[in-house]
Amino acid sequence: DVKVTQSSRYLVKRTGEKVFLECVQDMDHENMFWYRQDPGLGLRLIYFSYDVKMKEKGDIPEGYSVSREKKERFSLILESASTNQTSMYLCASRTGGEDEQYFGPGTRLTVT
Amino acid sequence: GENVEQHPSTLSVQEGDSAVIKCTYSDSASNYFPWYKQELGKGPQLIIDIRSNVGEKKDQRIAVTLNKTAKHFSLHITETQPEDSAVYFCAASRDTGRRALTFGSGTRLQVQP
Repeated sequence: DVKVTQSSRYLVKRTGEKVFLECVQDMDHENMFWYRQDPGLGLRLIYFSYDVKMKEKGDIPEGYSVSREKKERFSLILESASTNQTSMYLCASRTGGEDEQYFGPGTRLTVT
Repeated sequence: GENVEQHPSTLSVQEGDSAVIKCTYSDSASNYFPWYKQELGKGPQLIIDIRSNVGEKKDQRIAVTLNKTAKHFSLHITETQPEDSAVYFCAASRDTGRRALTFGSGTRLQVQP
């Protein structure tokens, strides 16, 4: 079974803090993704990565950055958290030759 | 870029009835259309997908239909059961390039026992 784990289920941070969300997959997948999920907006792609040290902006990259130093780990970074970044963050991975994305359980981030 | 619209946002049915969720997309080059199911406290999970070279695909009680001319596709669940209660997302992508999915806004399905 593919397993995608995220470092925290719930996180509370203050405005202006630097926030790291970690994602690890155990299936040697090349592709990894970060989405945010908001009611009525579905899942929106923040960043994705095709391979180690490679990254590409998604649809809403503003205020976020990412890091992929190892194949199994993809980190989402909020350089200076703001209240409008309060959301559910979902990580996913996919092998390069297939279509199915495997999602982690999500991190609910609250910025106060 | 691609835009995917999904309706309805909520759907309540009686156990045993059918449920239909509809999506439209804007990019005529999209040719891959998956449906994901998200149960409470979990990440979305793929339940069925279809490519533009077929018009319908079935997997037990679940089916997806695609009308490429009209640019819309639908999820059909027959003989609904309480365990079908979840949020369902449609998505669309191209087969080439970044192959990144664009998701619809989601449908919360509630199956009343």
